[in-house]
Amino acid sequence: GAVVSQHPSWVICKSGTSVKIECRSLDFQATTMFWYRQFPKQSLMLMATSNEGSKATYEQGVEKDKFLINHASLTLSTLTVTSAHPEDSSFYICSARTSWASEQYFGPGTRLTVT
Amino acid sequence: EDQVTQSPEALRLQEGESSSLNCSYTVSGLRGLFWYRQDPGKGPEFLFTLYSAGEEKEKERLKATLTKKESFLHITAPKPEDSATYLCAVQYVQGAQKLVFGQGTRLTINP
Repeated sequence: GAVVSQHPSWVICKSGTSVKIECRSLDFQATTMFWYRQFPKQSLMLMATSNEGSKATYEQGVEKDKFLINHASLTLSTLTVTSAHPEDSSFYICSARTSWASEQYFGPGTRLTVT
Repeated sequence: EDQVTQSPEALRLQEGESSSLNCSYTVSGLRGLFWYRQDPGKGPEFLFTLYSAGEEKEKERLKATLTKKESFLHITAPKPEDSATYLCAVQYVQGAQKLVFGQGTRLTINP
């Protein structure tokens, strides 16, 4: 149980283009989903928290117009990196939790490379 | 500021050599402490949740314990497949649902 998937697992895009990453909870309803980014040999940095049907709450320093988050259903959240630049290259990981448990379950991550 | 500090940063052990990883946190309303395992290029895998001092959880060769200021992840007779980065994360009462992660301990078990 508690399986979270991400798609794609890796993506290469050109500078200036946008890319969308999907995060799905496969066997439970996720009232809250989280988006993290992780640089090599560093820990996870929370980017934003999204509750189903509500606007996402972004962490300080994260540009909400650049990282668009949509949590339209209890099993799907998307992160769109708009006008991507090479410095946006990173490992993006989502997590999900239910309303009745405190644990967050993580997806396998998406490696984004912007050329 | 709420902080989570893990030590050591890296640890190399021989197969079968038991040891402990440490996670210390600032005491300001702990709601829960979580241990995760992360393999290279993958998302973290949930291991344990601890809520109160004195609590212990076990899974195979791993045992997590919690005091008022820190948590330990004890690894007994480790195998090479236990090699991974182990992450500690804390959820604070005032932090809503957010997890504050430590920097992780990179564990290598040599055969």
